[in-house]
Amino acid sequence: QSVLTQPPSASGTPGQSVTISCSGSGSNIGSHYVYWYQQISGTAPKLLIYRINQRSSGVPDRFSGSRSGTSASLAISGLRSEDEADYFCAAWDDSLSGPVFGGGTKLSVL
Amino acid sequence: EVQLVESGGGLVQPGRSLRLSCAASGFTFDDYAMHWVRQAPGKGLEWVSGINWNGGSTGYADSVKGRFTISRDNAKNSLYLQMTSLRAEDTALYYCAKDVNYGGTLGVAGFDPWGQGTLVTVSS
Repeated sequence: QSVLTQPPSASGTPGQSVTISCSGSGSNIGSHYVYWYQQISGTAPKLLIYRINQRSSGVPDRFSGSRSGTSASLAISGLRSEDEADYFCAAWDDSLSGPVFGGGTKLSVL
Repeated sequence: EVQLVESGGGLVQPGRSLRLSCAASGFTFDDYAMHWVRQAPGKGLEWVSGINWNGGSTGYADSVKGRFTISRDNAKNSLYLQMTSLRAEDTALYYCAKDVNYGGTLGVAGFDPWGQGTLVTVSS
């Protein structure tokens, strides 16, 4: 059971928008920066969003991050086939004194 | 270009030990904290351990505390993970990752970039 909660799957058709949620608590998302990672099948994770809403170098502006209270979201607009991947949220956790991840969301582009 | 190259993985029997290494290049190694993150087959990501710039501060996941030891050699631009008393549940792809924050302290969940990983399989 992951400390941060994500839906196991999400889907959309090309051109659509999709939002992936990440739920935590006051000891992690509520008080620390949130990070999002994209992992395409068979490859290492790649930093997508840092400090809640900052896009990593080379990440298109179709990707955006936000936080509200103890939850965070990753929004992807104008879905493309190459967005098909697993997406993980992460935040530092004061109770565990270390980073924690969400269980991951598998995004399918139909 | 920042590069992280892990090595040392392999097949090991339960209860035995293994030492992973990560060779870093393309950045000033001792300006950053470093981490190990693992991914069991078909599963999600789990932070394993982190170390600050000079090795004076370390952190471990509860699942490995007391069994794994992280260390670094700044003169060799290398990160290590000594794993003892290995269990079947330690079977995973182990990634080395650079902390996002310049300054070398622990305290965020930002990892960039990641190496390609080294596979550890614990089985009799």
